[in-house]
Amino acid sequence: SFVLTQPPSVSVAPGATARITCGGNNIGSKSVHWYQQKPGQAPVLIISYDSDRRSGIPERFSGSNSGNTATLTISSVEAGDEADYHCQVWNFGSAHPYVFGNGTKVTVL
Amino acid sequence: QVQLVESGGVVVHPGGSQRLSCAPSGFTLRSYGMHWVRQAPGKGLEWVAVIGYDGNNINYVDSVRGRFTISRDISKNTLFLQLNSVRAEDAGLYFCARGSTSAAHNFDWWGHGSLVTVSS
Repeated sequence: SFVLTQPPSVSVAPGATARITCGGNNIGSKSVHWYQQKPGQAPVLIISYDSDRRSGIPERFSGSNSGNTATLTISSVEAGDEADYHCQVWNFGSAHPYVFGNGTKVTVL
Repeated sequence: QVQLVESGGVVVHPGGSQRLSCAPSGFTLRSYGMHWVRQAPGKGLEWVAVIGYDGNNINYVDSVRGRFTISRDISKNTLFLQLNSVRAEDAGLYFCARGSTSAAHNFDWWGHGSLVTVSS
């Protein structure tokens, strides 16, 4: 089955830029979606198709995908961005079609 | 306004059974594929099951196939997940999630989750 690898944690100072990676074999050939999950809350879809921000999501959130790595970038990080971030792909034709990464905890210092 | 409201938390004995429910508002199950996604304590998200908008195209992750059953009641606009032969590793927060109508195959709305505790 397709495996997505994320770093367990990323720490960033307020106002700085956080980059969260999602690694997978030739992930650039797939569409990557990103979810934000704040403590005690349900996940929220924030980016679809690698880089399409959902309505209402600040422009500070952006995504890219190429080769073996997809990246979620959070610019000018705010305290309210502290959350777990999960990447997800659809693995067409697989017995395990919906695949998530293990999630990355973003801590704002 | 789209909302997904799951049934409350449950305690299940190992080997036991339990049914989870999810009641959407703001849309009808006839129009959307629906999923169950779970999260073990301190872990990431794991997709569990899907039922297509037409009630067909049902699929499961291998670890639950043959033990869990996803279904829906259109008249009550309610989604279900029947858990049988529950194991310790099935413990966690179970989210119902709506599949997007685009070809993205992602999940555009989520409930707040039902906590499944497995304990003897």
